[in-house]
Amino acid sequence: DAKTTQPNSMESNEEEPVHLPCNHSTISGTDYIHWYRQLPSQGPEYVIHGLTSNVNNRMASLAIAEDRKSSTLILHRATLRDAAVYYCILLETSGSRLTFGEGTQLTVNP
Amino acid sequence: EAQVTQNPRYLITVTGKKLTVTCSQNMNHEYMSWYRQDPGLGLRQIYYSMNVEVTDKGDVPEGYKVSRKEKRNFPLILESPSPNQTSLYFCASSFNRGTHGYTFGSGTRLTVV
Repeated sequence: DAKTTQPNSMESNEEEPVHLPCNHSTISGTDYIHWYRQLPSQGPEYVIHGLTSNVNNRMASLAIAEDRKSSTLILHRATLRDAAVYYCILLETSGSRLTFGEGTQLTVNP
Repeated sequence: EAQVTQNPRYLITVTGKKLTVTCSQNMNHEYMSWYRQDPGLGLRQIYYSMNVEVTDKGDVPEGYKVSRKEKRNFPLILESPSPNQTSLYFCASSFNRGTHGYTFGSGTRLTVV
């Protein structure tokens, strides 16, 4: 499976936008980019996923670089409830597993 | 409400006493899997199933069994639990792996003494 690289931690202020980066230089043409987050003592939660084009949903936006070697998860207005570990994962269409790395611990300051 | 339901949420058991952790989803998903999460090791896949009667090993299958007799259910069986299986377990399901997001259960915290 292609690997992803994320910063260990990031900090943001409440009500401000947050840009969480992910590098995936070995991505293949069939890999989807998935983002999940995990709040303390809870199961991972699906946030968003995409293949080539930028994607928006009610939770976040996903900006994918033109060469697909990096992507950015955008939380438009961070809230205290967004404090979590965010995982960027590559998954083939026929892939059998989500391989979780260490993710980015997002701290949101009031 | 679309969800993955795991039971029990918490379980303390003794070494060698067989146990089953149940997982059920109500979204008609074909793909289901089990993960364990341990401090410093992250989430690791135990087993997965691509459809009824189709299961395969993940990264850490030793000491576990699964079955997929019905589409909605994917129980995790520990025939003879040992203390190194003390962990937080998550079940997940998806309609179609890469092209759709996964839904995770709330977790089962298992302690084997």
